[in-house]
Amino acid sequence: AQTVTQSQPEMSVQEAETVTLSCTYDTSESDYYLFWYKQPPSRQMILVIRQEAYKQQNATENRFSVNFQKAAKSFSLKISDSQLGDAAMYFCAYNTDKLIFGTGTRLQVFP
Amino acid sequence: NAGVTQTPKFRILKIGQSMTLQCAQDMNHNYMYWYRQDPGMGLKLIYYSVGAGITDKGEVPNGYNVSRSTTEDFPLRLELAAPSQTSVYFCASSYSILAGGYNEQFFGPGTRLTVL
Repeated sequence: AQTVTQSQPEMSVQEAETVTLSCTYDTSESDYYLFWYKQPPSRQMILVIRQEAYKQQNATENRFSVNFQKAAKSFSLKISDSQLGDAAMYFCAYNTDKLIFGTGTRLQVFP
Repeated sequence: NAGVTQTPKFRILKIGQSMTLQCAQDMNHNYMYWYRQDPGMGLKLIYYSVGAGITDKGEVPNGYNVSRSTTEDFPLRLELAAPSQTSVYFCASSYSILAGGYNEQFFGPGTRLTVL
């Protein structure tokens, strides 16, 4: 069965600095998608970035980028130039026909 | 487009009561999902549907039932509420992977359910 592990329950970063959130997963599939979702206090699940497993190039969305290491089954999220609005829970998710979520990392951003 | 809508936003139930959580989407997605999120945890899949008339169990289906009579609606039924079902419930929808999409899931705002 596929599993997703986020080993950092909480992280903190200073405003304008860079932070990296870790995620590892386990699967025997070769074709799948990986996602990072943000959940602010409003509870709304917001897609931050996605990665297709067959693409070697790391995905980038403005200040958000990933480091995708397929052989190591690792999918970390880097947030550059952190902003106060980035404070939220971040969930890594693995997907073939269903999404499997990690337990989340709470990110605090300090001014 | 309203996207994915859920009603109610909040509900308190007594043990043994029943209720239906409503979910609707107007994006013509054929996949729909129900998740629960317990405090400090990620989302866990309860049930999902790949199209009208087709449903299947997820990771934590016990105590719940679903039906999918239309593409737009996917209600979740709790028959005998128990304190263990206190959680936040999210509905989501997506296009089919077979359509070549990313299967990005679009989430509703959630329903906070408390069973006392």
